[in-house]
Amino acid sequence: QSVLTQPPSVSGAPGQRVIISCTGSSSNIGAGYDVHWYQQLPETAPKLLIYGNNNRPSGVPDRFSGSKSGTSASLAITGLQAEDEADYYCQSYDSSLSGSVVFGGGTKVTVL
Amino acid sequence: QVQLQEAGPGLVKPSQTLSLTCAVSGGSVSTGGYSWSWIRQHPGKGQEWIGDMYYSGTTYYNPSLKSRVTISIDTSKNEFSLKLSSVTAADAAVYYCARSREYSQGKWFDPWGQGTLVTVSS
Repeated sequence: QSVLTQPPSVSGAPGQRVIISCTGSSSNIGAGYDVHWYQQLPETAPKLLIYGNNNRPSGVPDRFSGSKSGTSASLAITGLQAEDEADYYCQSYDSSLSGSVVFGGGTKVTVL
Repeated sequence: QVQLQEAGPGLVKPSQTLSLTCAVSGGSVSTGGYSWSWIRQHPGKGQEWIGDMYYSGTTYYNPSLKSRVTISIDTSKNEFSLKLSSVTAADAAVYYCARSREYSQGKWFDPWGQGTLVTVSS
């Protein structure tokens, strides 16, 4: 059971917009800690996609965007492409766990 | 750009100590502002943070693993290491090393190594 809750899967047709939610609590996202997102393509290591809630590292397409509100955060992919089919994980920090990093369980994005 | 590469035995016997190293290239483990981290991923599951170490020697460990984990840095080899003692089948996972950036509102991990699969079996 992950501290941060994500839907197991979302899907969309090429060109569509999909949103992945990441739900936390008052000891992590709701406490003001930032949310970061990672993309994991099949058989590869996770790659930083969004940091600090809504910042893209150099090289990440602007069709990826992040937001945060209250105890939740979201990752939006607009103009979905076949190469976006991957697992996506959110990550934050939890003050109730002696200062521990926490991850979501991951969301599989399928491009129909 | 910084690149990380894990190395170590892919098979560890129950009750023994898992030992992995992470070689850092394109940068230095003594660079300020970063810590060096281990993260694992059980098959079909999400990631689990194991811990971090700063060049200064400060360490942070996952409370659930703290009693069994040691992370260290070897500046002469520009690498850092993980030791996890008394392993059980529950410790079988893909182990990743990563560089982490910490600030007032949390930390993120970038880049990550390619990962190394560790199996626990007699």
